[in-house]
Amino acid sequence: QSALTQPPSASGSPGQSVTISCTGTSGDVGGYAYVSWYQQFPGKAPKLIIYEVTKRPSGVPDRFSGSKSGNTASLTVSRLQAEDEADYYCTSYGGSNNLLLFGGGTKLTVL
Amino acid sequence: QLQLQESGPGPVKPSETLSLTCTVSGDSISSSIYFWGWVRQPPGKGLEWIAAIYYSGGTYYNPSLKSRVTMSVDTSQNQFSLKMYSVTAADTALYYCARYVRAVDNFDIWGQGTLVTVSS
Repeated sequence: QSALTQPPSASGSPGQSVTISCTGTSGDVGGYAYVSWYQQFPGKAPKLIIYEVTKRPSGVPDRFSGSKSGNTASLTVSRLQAEDEADYYCTSYGGSNNLLLFGGGTKLTVL
Repeated sequence: QLQLQESGPGPVKPSETLSLTCTVSGDSISSSIYFWGWVRQPPGKGLEWIAAIYYSGGTYYNPSLKSRVTMSVDTSQNQFSLKMYSVTAADTALYYCARYVRAVDNFDIWGQGTLVTVSS
């Protein structure tokens, strides 16, 4: 069982928006501004798409956005495209005793 | 351009030690602002952080694996390594090495991964 809880699947039609949640506790997601999101295509390494809750690395489309409320972080993919179909993972700083926590991953399907 | 490349044994027998090395090219592993780490992914499953190390040797370990893993760094070779002891079939996974940005706690650059199979 993963430390952070994500829905196993999410879906949306092209052009729509979809939001993926990532729920932790006050000791991780809720207590720090160090939530990241990764995109992973089959057979490929994960790619960082959001860090520090809301920031995007250079080259990541602005269709990807992050937010946080309390112990739950969210990734929103706007204006869905077929190429967004992938697995998405959240992470959070978990404190000095457990540096990094992963969510279980969400498979995003573009209908 | 920074690149990371994992190298490993392929198949490992149960109860033996798994040894992996990550070679960094395009930048010095002795950079003062980065850690270097390992993440694994069992076939068809999610990602799990294993450990991270600073070039001077300071380490962080996943508490669930801490008793069985050791990381080390070789700055002369621009490499870092992972040893996992007493492996079982549950340790079969794709093992990724990656650069860890400790200031914001994320892995920003990843290797392509190497599959380790534990089987007798």
